[in-house]
Amino acid sequence: KQEVTQIPAALSVPEGENLVLNCSFTDSAIYNLQWFRQDPGKGLTSLLLIQSSQREQTSGRLNASLDKSSGRSTLYIAASQPGDSATYLCALSGANSKLTFGKGITLSVRP
Amino acid sequence: GAVVSQHPSRVICKSGTSVKIECRSLDFQATTMFWYRQFPKKSLMLMATSNEGSKATYEQGVEKDKFLINHASLTLSTLTVTSAHPEDSSFYICSARDSQGYGYTFGSGTRLTVV
Repeated sequence: KQEVTQIPAALSVPEGENLVLNCSFTDSAIYNLQWFRQDPGKGLTSLLLIQSSQREQTSGRLNASLDKSSGRSTLYIAASQPGDSATYLCALSGANSKLTFGKGITLSVRP
Repeated sequence: GAVVSQHPSRVICKSGTSVKIECRSLDFQATTMFWYRQFPKKSLMLMATSNEGSKATYEQGVEKDKFLINHASLTLSTLTVTSAHPEDSSFYICSARDSQGYGYTFGSGTRLTVV
């Protein structure tokens, strides 16, 4: 059974800092890995999707990497802004098409 | 990109009544949709997988007679919470795989409060 871990559960950084959010998983037989952002009381917004054959994806100030052999993914946020404050969720899909989520990292970027 | 529209965003109902939540894929056809429930400060819990034209598949511990799912077309899935009780109060979110079959797109969620 796939297990996804995101540590720490919460993170507070000053504005402008570059930061890395970590995600680890136990089963490397994945199809895709997807990073989402969730604002309080809202749905999930997809940030980046990494297919199993890929190693990283970039979008603006965000870069996500995938290392299946070590069971890890990282989401890099450059030059963080207060608007980046949200909960970031890592999710993996497997052969059954179901997503397995981590518990998320709640990020607070202080002005 | 793929868009999933979910309505209503908020609903308050009385105990014992039923509430229907709709989830539509706006610019793609979704043969499969997923329904999640999220408790405060917790991650998403998959409730069921909705397949167009067939019965939904429920996760263990989810009452299928309480949470009725209908996926009658390739763009619409509905979740009906029947005989709602206060403990059903939660945040419900739907999701569908995008048209390329790779990523997942989520609705904006429905906050259900049963009083």
